[in-house]
Amino acid sequence: QKEVEQNSGPLSVPEGAIASLNCTYSDRGSQSFFWYRQYSGKSPELIMSIYSNGDKEDGRFTAQLNKASQYVSLLIRDSQPSDSATYLCAVKSGGGADGLTFGKGTHLIIQP
Amino acid sequence: EAEVAQSPRYKITEKSQAVAFWCDPISGHATLYWYRQILGQGPELLVQFQDESVVDDSQLPKDRFSAERLKGVDSTLKIQPAELGDSAMYLCASSLGRSRETQYFGPGTRLLVL
Repeated sequence: QKEVEQNSGPLSVPEGAIASLNCTYSDRGSQSFFWYRQYSGKSPELIMSIYSNGDKEDGRFTAQLNKASQYVSLLIRDSQPSDSATYLCAVKSGGGADGLTFGKGTHLIIQP
Repeated sequence: EAEVAQSPRYKITEKSQAVAFWCDPISGHATLYWYRQILGQGPELLVQFQDESVVDDSQLPKDRFSAERLKGVDSTLKIQPAELGDSAMYLCASSLGRSRETQYFGPGTRLLVL
């Protein structure tokens, strides 16, 4: 059974600070890793994808991957109230059946 | 910007009734996914299509759920009969289907079974 674990939160961060979101996964064969943002009542929206160990930066967002530790993280710099949402970690295994396995999500609140 | 289309956006039905959801993926996307998201949980894959063929339906409750993608383009997910526990958001996603391709989600259909 493939599992993706996230702290459900809520995680409260002051505006302008760095928000750090974490995720662990059980399937060592996992190849691709994604962070989606989901506002209440809306569908998930892709924020970042990462495939290799190390850091990947895109604007205020940095994804970090450590396959040896089976750990993925997302850093949000200069947090804004509009960043308040649920952040879903998703993992894809290699192979033809490549549906995503999602964590339960971390609810992030940016305090003005 | 191309988007995944879904309809209806909201559906209220009584238990034991039949319901159907429709999805039109982004043009050119060979792979189509149906997910179910229960409130407070992450999305769970129900079925994956590659063109018109089912690639993975291991988590689809086949006694009451069915899915088809007859011409390899749009897709329909059906529940018959609906149960109270089926109340959830049903999400359709599509991708080009090649390695490392991103899945793009539609707006979802929110189902309430009374």
